[in-house]
Amino acid sequence: AQKITQTQPGMFVQEKEAVTLDCTYDTSDQSYGLFWYKQPSSGEMIFLIYQGSYDEQNATEGRYSLNFQKARKSANLVISASQLGDSAMYFCAMREGRSGGYNKLIFGAGTRLAVHP
Amino acid sequence: GAVVSQHPSRVICKSGTSVKIECRSLDFQATTMFWYRQFPKQSLMLMATSNEGSKATYEQGVEKDKFLINHASLTLSTLTVTSAHPEDSSFYICSGGGGFDEQFFGPGTRLTVL
Repeated sequence: AQKITQTQPGMFVQEKEAVTLDCTYDTSDQSYGLFWYKQPSSGEMIFLIYQGSYDEQNATEGRYSLNFQKARKSANLVISASQLGDSAMYFCAMREGRSGGYNKLIFGAGTRLAVHP
Repeated sequence: GAVVSQHPSRVICKSGTSVKIECRSLDFQATTMFWYRQFPKQSLMLMATSNEGSKATYEQGVEKDKFLINHASLTLSTLTVTSAHPEDSSFYICSGGGGFDEQFFGPGTRLTVL
């Protein structure tokens, strides 16, 4: 069965510094996708970045990058130049690939990030 | 990205009543939508997969008779919490669309059962 592990319940970072949020996963599928979402206190889920299991390059989206290490089954999120507005809950999620159709996401426990001025 | 709406955003009800939550895809057709539940300070837990024109698929441990899902059109899925009790108080959030590399989430519905 697939599983997502986020071992950091909370993280602190100084404004303008970079921070890495850890995520490891377990799956027996060769085809899968990894996602990171941000959830502010309002509750909405904001998509940040996606990495497919066959993607050879690490995904990047603006200040977000995903450090994908397939052999270690890790997909850490790196946020560069942290901003006060980055303070939120961050979830790592995985979708197992199946041909056709849309697939459910399994979420990790989340990491609460606090950015200090 | 695509837009998913949920209604209502907040609902407070008395124990024993039923509550319906709507999830709409505003600018795309969704043959499949997902319903999640999130308790305070916890992660999102998938409850069920809503399939347009057919029965929903429920995750293990989720009572299908308590959480009724209807997906009658390509743009609307509804979740009805029947005979709600205080332990059903939670944040309910739906998602859909996006293909393999994205899922669009609704803004969520906060249910409080008194």
